[in-house]
Amino acid sequence: RKEVEQDPGPFNVPEGATVAFNCTYSNSASQSFFWYRQDCRKEPKLLMSVYSSGNEDGRFTAQLNRASQYISLLIRDSKLSDSATYLCVEHTGGFKTIFGAGTRLFVKA
Amino acid sequence: DTGVSQNPRHKITKRGQNVTFRCDPISEHNRLYWYRQTLGQGPEFLTYFQNEAQLEKSRLLSDRFSAERPKGSFSTLEIQRTEQGDSAMYLCASRGGAGTNEQFFGPGTRLTVL
Repeated sequence: RKEVEQDPGPFNVPEGATVAFNCTYSNSASQSFFWYRQDCRKEPKLLMSVYSSGNEDGRFTAQLNRASQYISLLIRDSKLSDSATYLCVEHTGGFKTIFGAGTRLFVKA
Repeated sequence: DTGVSQNPRHKITKRGQNVTFRCDPISEHNRLYWYRQTLGQGPEFLTYFQNEAQLEKSRLLSDRFSAERPKGSFSTLEIQRTEQGDSAMYLCASRGGAGTNEQFFGPGTRLTVL
């Protein structure tokens, strides 16, 4: 079993739609989680951190569920510019960072 | 440009040759990571430096791979006796001190082993 698992998609949604991604992790001791965004042929960039209390940044909401060991990302009112791969990231208790394989999103007009 | 830089951006080599990549992190960042990414996958952790100390190394990393950060600034990743399976994008990321979590990635070095 992979340490961080994501649905690879692709998710094809129309502009204005709400879309949600989930990610599961296996290390119950892991402390920090993040969502990164990666555009085609570009490097990953931090989208947002994930907290148990939830984290909202504009149209984006991230949530951590420690009991079920999953992380979610909700995108409201999707824009064409949201088309990208979304990477779920886990910082373990040590120094290792684990990325999921990513979920591809295509927003169409 | 004050971001993370990597050189070369592209490298084509023949199987069995040695290659070396360089990463220059953001100047005030003391933490540095190397990753490998193949098509359709997320970045795979290779190794981590805090200043000049290599504190974590993936057990998946064979002994053909070695990384250094001699003065706690730039880092090099060397692959000896390259194999076709080493073909990938090699990404470097840097991060600031304690309390900061964001990793800033460089543009990567794309390695093709023929």
